[in-house]
Amino acid sequence: QSVLTQPPSVSGAPGQRVTISCTGSRSNIGAGYDVHWYRQFPGTAPKLLISVNSKRPSGVPDRFSGSKSGTSASLAITGLQVDDEAEYYCQSYDSSVTAWVFGGGTKLTVL
Amino acid sequence: EMQLLESGGGLVQPGGSLRLSCAASGFTFSSYPMTWVRQAPGKGLEWVSGIRDFDSHTNYADSVKGRFTISRDNSKDTLFLDMNSLRAEDTAVYYCAKVTVALTWYFDLWGRGTLVTVSS
Repeated sequence: QSVLTQPPSVSGAPGQRVTISCTGSRSNIGAGYDVHWYRQFPGTAPKLLISVNSKRPSGVPDRFSGSKSGTSASLAITGLQVDDEAEYYCQSYDSSVTAWVFGGGTKLTVL
Repeated sequence: EMQLLESGGGLVQPGGSLRLSCAASGFTFSSYPMTWVRQAPGKGLEWVSGIRDFDSHTNYADSVKGRFTISRDNSKDTLFLDMNSLRAEDTAVYYCAKVTVALTWYFDLWGRGTLVTVSS
């Protein structure tokens, strides 16, 4: 069971907006630690999508945005495209286990 | 172009040992912390171990503490993971990743991964 909780799956139609939640606790997100997001296509390595809660690395379109509030964070994707189908992971630091931690991952399906 | 290339994976019996390597290129390896992350078949990502740049301080996930050792050779731009007393549950693709430090670490460059299978 992951320290950070994500929904196992989300779905949306092309062009729609979806959000993926990442729920933590007072020992990780709630303690002020930043949240980062990664995207992983099947059979490939993860790739950084959002850093430090809301920053997009070079090359990531502005359809992707991140936010953080309290003990949770969210990744929003607007203008869904079929190519957005992938697994998405949040990541932070947890002071109770003194380790960097990932969410369990969310599979995005574009209907 | 920045790149990480893992090697050393393979099939090993329970209780055995293996050394993974990660060759870095395209950036100043010695200036960045580095980390290992693994992914068991069909499962999510699990952070394994990290090593700092300036003092090579190390830390480990509880699941591997005492069995795995991370190290780096800055003269060869290479990261290592020595794995001992391997168990079936260590079976996974192991990724090395470059770390950027904010308030927390995040992993901004990943290798393709190397598969470790622990089985008799």
